[in-house]
Amino acid sequence: DAGVIQSPRHEVTEMGQEVTLRCKPISGHNSLFWYRQTMMRGLELLIYFNNNVPIDDSGMPEDRFSAKMPNASFSTLKIQPSEPRDSAVYFCASTAGGPRTEAFFGQGTRLTVV
Amino acid sequence: GQQVMQIPQYQHVQEGEDFTTYCNSSTTLSNIQWYKQRPGGHPVFLIQLVKSGEVKKQKRLTFQFGEAKKNSSLHITATQTTDVGTYFCAGSGGGADGLTFGKGTHLIIQP
Repeated sequence: DAGVIQSPRHEVTEMGQEVTLRCKPISGHNSLFWYRQTMMRGLELLIYFNNNVPIDDSGMPEDRFSAKMPNASFSTLKIQPSEPRDSAVYFCASTAGGPRTEAFFGQGTRLTVV
Repeated sequence: GQQVMQIPQYQHVQEGEDFTTYCNSSTTLSNIQWYKQRPGGHPVFLIQLVKSGEVKKQKRLTFQFGEAKKNSSLHITATQTTDVGTYFCAGSGGGADGLTFGKGTHLIIQP
């Protein structure tokens, strides 16, 4: 298995633009997590899905952030409009059995908003 | 909400010295996981502890889960340069709770 696949690996965009991050979880995994990592705040859980249904989105910063999981093999995290403070590494992770099983992380997307 | 505190933030050791990182939760955890992230990389799962007082070993690494299931530690014996990275603990309160990560301990090893 190729593991969790995220795209793009790097994204540089101007403030105010829409940004879409993509994630393909490991085949057969039923839970998917989006995390944001910064030096100041560490790894923050943004949202997680179980069987394509959002379970906990309390970590989503504000209305500018939205996440979807239209099917078991694909998820997106969208930021509209983007702001410089959104600059971070965004990780997607998947598990075979919810938050209490081993999480497999993707390589991450490094987002820079200028 | 649930908070997971991890100390120290940074630890410099000489190669061959031991290293310990500590994790404390504001609430009782159903389980705790440990991850390692190399510089420029992504977190990689090391282990999960679920039982009160549980101790698990992986070669030079020893993981403990406190009796009250609110704290945990990772101890590395005789560090090697390959141990460099950031070690994170992550806990879940149970039910539908997602994992809450500590801020990690950055291990720097001087040869």
